[in-house]
Amino acid sequence: EAGVTQFPSHSVIEKGQTVTLRCDPISGHDNLYWYRRVMGKEIKFLLHFVKESKQDESGMPNNRFLAERTGGTYSTLKVQPAELEDSGVYFCASSPHPGAANTGELFFGEGSRLTVL
Amino acid sequence: QKEVEQDPGPLSVPEGAIVSLNCTYSNSAFQYFMWYRQYSRKGPELLMYTYSSGNKEDGRFTAQVDKSSKYISLFIRDSQPSDSATYLCAMRGGYQKVTFGTGTKLQVIP
Repeated sequence: EAGVTQFPSHSVIEKGQTVTLRCDPISGHDNLYWYRRVMGKEIKFLLHFVKESKQDESGMPNNRFLAERTGGTYSTLKVQPAELEDSGVYFCASSPHPGAANTGELFFGEGSRLTVL
Repeated sequence: QKEVEQDPGPLSVPEGAIVSLNCTYSNSAFQYFMWYRQYSRKGPELLMYTYSSGNKEDGRFTAQVDKSSKYISLFIRDSQPSDSATYLCAMRGGYQKVTFGTGTKLQVIP
């Protein structure tokens, strides 16, 4: 079974440019999450999709960040325009629909490292 | 104040040592407690999951939760060089978002 895949693995852009990160969750996982780790800080929640709907977007920093999940499959996270403080590692995670017997374990991708110069 | 506090380390131990990793938290709503392991340039992977206070053992790993003190621990017995990684405590309430600690970087020296 394929795991969570993220693309690109590393992106270097200049301040003011646009970057789009993509995440392909594990097939059949309704829940998709975006997290971000800024250097030296904890992994922080950005938002949560259930299928194609945004369940919780309370962690999105500002309106320069736009996340979509087309048809409940893959997701994209666009940063436009990018600022220096957006640098970090963006993780995508997926999990099956939570049920009584489900731990809610998150399956993470390897992350997309974003460097804004 | 952060919801989850974790000593970032780094922690360096000789092979075979017992390792103790700890986190404290402030949010009483947290019900589920997890430990993730993250190797360099990889995503975190779930190592241990606990719900109630007490101990849970899995091989060389023991997770301990004390809800009254809002304190969780992960013990690694007979540590191996392959255990060298960053260990992240994580917790959540119900089916809400998972909140992570900063992670403790562990190095086990052969």
